[in-house]
Amino acid sequence: QKEVEQDPGPLSVPEGAIVSLNCTYSNSAFQYFMWYRQYSRKGPELLMYTYSSGNKEDGRFTAQVDKSSKYISLFIRDSQPSDSATYLCAMTLYAGGTSYGKLTFGQGTILTVHP
Amino acid sequence: SQTIHQWPATLVQPVGSPLSLECTVEGTSNPNLYWYRQAAGRGLQLLFYSVGIGQISSEVPQNLSASRPQDRQFILSSKKLLLSDSGFYLCALGREELGELFFGEGSRLTVL
Repeated sequence: QKEVEQDPGPLSVPEGAIVSLNCTYSNSAFQYFMWYRQYSRKGPELLMYTYSSGNKEDGRFTAQVDKSSKYISLFIRDSQPSDSATYLCAMTLYAGGTSYGKLTFGQGTILTVHP
Repeated sequence: SQTIHQWPATLVQPVGSPLSLECTVEGTSNPNLYWYRQAAGRGLQLLFYSVGIGQISSEVPQNLSASRPQDRQFILSSKKLLLSDSGFYLCALGREELGELFFGEGSRLTVL
């Protein structure tokens, strides 16, 4: 069993749709959760991060963490064609030092938003 | 601002040949540096990380090695490439003050 499971998709939605991306994980010790966006043939870029359980909102993006279910989500409202990319969830055990760099990633979900 | 340079951007190598991928960073000193590999259809896998010159930690046993000869230089090497070494290799910089891992543009390796 992989430590982090993420449906690879691909996911195709019309412009303006609400997108829901999800990951499940098996290690209950994970405390710091992130979502990265990766455009084709580029390095990933950090989109959002959250500590422990709860919600975090940033513009059209909302990240949710449910530690009791070992489940994290990223919601994109009013999706745009420019949101078309691969979305990777990532997590780590601690918030500090090299732990920020020692991440466990999901496989990534390929998202296409068509006009 | 901090930047990461990786080269070569693309590389095609025969099985059994050596490999050297280079990563240099600018705009910071004494950074924590990381090498990740992204194989086709798979997530990123941490290969090595370094907290300083000459200090290398390996996360998975494999055909690769890493070195850090200078503060802002991180090199990934292999003496003999395998088909399974194909992938997208990403160098990353730890931005601990932001809780962020900042990635370079990557080097795409195809082993034939």
